Amino acid sequence: KAGVTQTPRYLIKTRGQQVTLSCSPISGHRSVSWYQQTPGQGLQFLFEYFSETQRNKGNFPGRFSGRQFSNSRSEMNVSTLELGDSALYLCASSLEGGRSTDTQYFGPGTRLTVL
Amino acid sequence: AQSVTQLDSHVSVSEGTPVLLRCNYSSSYSPSLFWYVQHPNKGLQLLLKYTSAATLVKGINGFEAEFKKSETSFHLTKPSAHMSDAAEYFCVVSDPPGSNTGNQFYFGTGTSLTVIP
Repeated sequence: KAGVTQTPRYLIKTRGQQVTLSCSPISGHRSVSWYQQTPGQGLQFLFEYFSETQRNKGNFPGRFSGRQFSNSRSEMNVSTLELGDSALYLCASSLEGGRSTDTQYFGPGTRLTVL
Repeated sequence: AQSVTQLDSHVSVSEGTPVLLRCNYSSSYSPSLFWYVQHPNKGLQLLLKYTSAATLVKGINGFEAEFKKSETSFHLTKPSAHMSDAAEYFCVVSDPPGSNTGNQFYFGTGTSLTVIP
């Protein structure tokens, strides 16, 4: 099975712009979670989608949003970019996500740089 | 509240010597616990997970972790370090579904492992 894929791998934007990141989960996985990784804050949970519905949300401003399509692919959008949004954005998929025994499988990440 | 504390931000070992990466957690429930590894510019790879079965969990690449409820610890060990083990390691706790914080992964701040030849 192919793993979790994320596109693009690298992205450079300027302040005020918006950006859309894409994640394709492992085939058959219905849950997709997004994380932001920075040197200062570590790994922080953004949100989780299951069956096209946002099921959980972390403590991020409304500029961060996402969606999931019927094929379980997910997109994350960040509007009005700020310098502090520069980070590695990781996507993870799991079968159901609702059971703590589910393992999350991570993609390679999208490195976003905001200038 | 759920939290994960990785007691060492950096650990250095010589190749061939044992590795110990420490992790303590707090949870109001019976959590699941995971260790992930991240090599530079890569995503996270699962090393092992504990889900209330055997308390000693064996993972990939010779890593093990022991769940100790009385100490709320889940330390990661390996008998003999290899150069390829140099990476960032994350301890993760996940609460059961139905709990207030179910469905979420809580990450520790990571431990950077250096292996000296």
